[in-house]
Amino acid sequence: SAVISQKPSRDICQRGTSLTIQCQVDSQVTMMFWYRQQPGQSLTLIATANQGSEATYESGFVIDKFPISRPNLTFSTLTVSNMSPEDSSIYLCSVSATGSTGELFFGEGSRLTVL
Amino acid sequence: KNEVEQSPQNLTAQEGEFITINCSYSVGISALHWLQQHPGGGIVSLFMLSSGKKKHGRLIATINIQEKHSSLHITASHPRDSAVYICAPRPGSQGNLIFGKGTKLSVKP
Repeated sequence: SAVISQKPSRDICQRGTSLTIQCQVDSQVTMMFWYRQQPGQSLTLIATANQGSEATYESGFVIDKFPISRPNLTFSTLTVSNMSPEDSSIYLCSVSATGSTGELFFGEGSRLTVL
Repeated sequence: KNEVEQSPQNLTAQEGEFITINCSYSVGISALHWLQQHPGGGIVSLFMLSSGKKKHGRLIATINIQEKHSSLHITASHPRDSAVYICAPRPGSQGNLIFGKGTKLSVKP
């Protein structure tokens, strides 16, 4: 199993500022996933973060807006840059278990409100 | 048309009732996850299915790959089961998960 600590759990931000979300896993994992969940919507994958390489972004998400760091196998950050009210969402990091179980583990989420 | 359809979108039940949440998807998949999202936003993985049926406590998940359909059942529901339940199939063998919009369950004492 994996325990994920994500912070901040929530924040209220001003338009135009940037916020970095941290995700710490209690075990080494190859891939970490960053999701966004806009109000009333399903989860959307932002990017996949691999240690030692550039993150892979999904369509509609760009590195300038959502830079990601992955300095080691247990830690990643997602920055939401130059925020606007449309960025108000829950942001979640996730990892999957190694081996054949494929079980998923999620952080507690970071609920951002942009004024 | 959404690739993943969940029904119902909202469900209110009395404590003790048997709950069924349905998920239909339109793509070939290698596995399907059922997730539980708490009001604060945190998500817990309940099941991963590739065929048949799994049971964990009062929760039962079934999947019919041919019919592209999965169900999540909760027996003897309890107010602490109140949450959003999300169906998330994995297309192909290596595809990224696709997510349903979730079913919001409220269990009244």
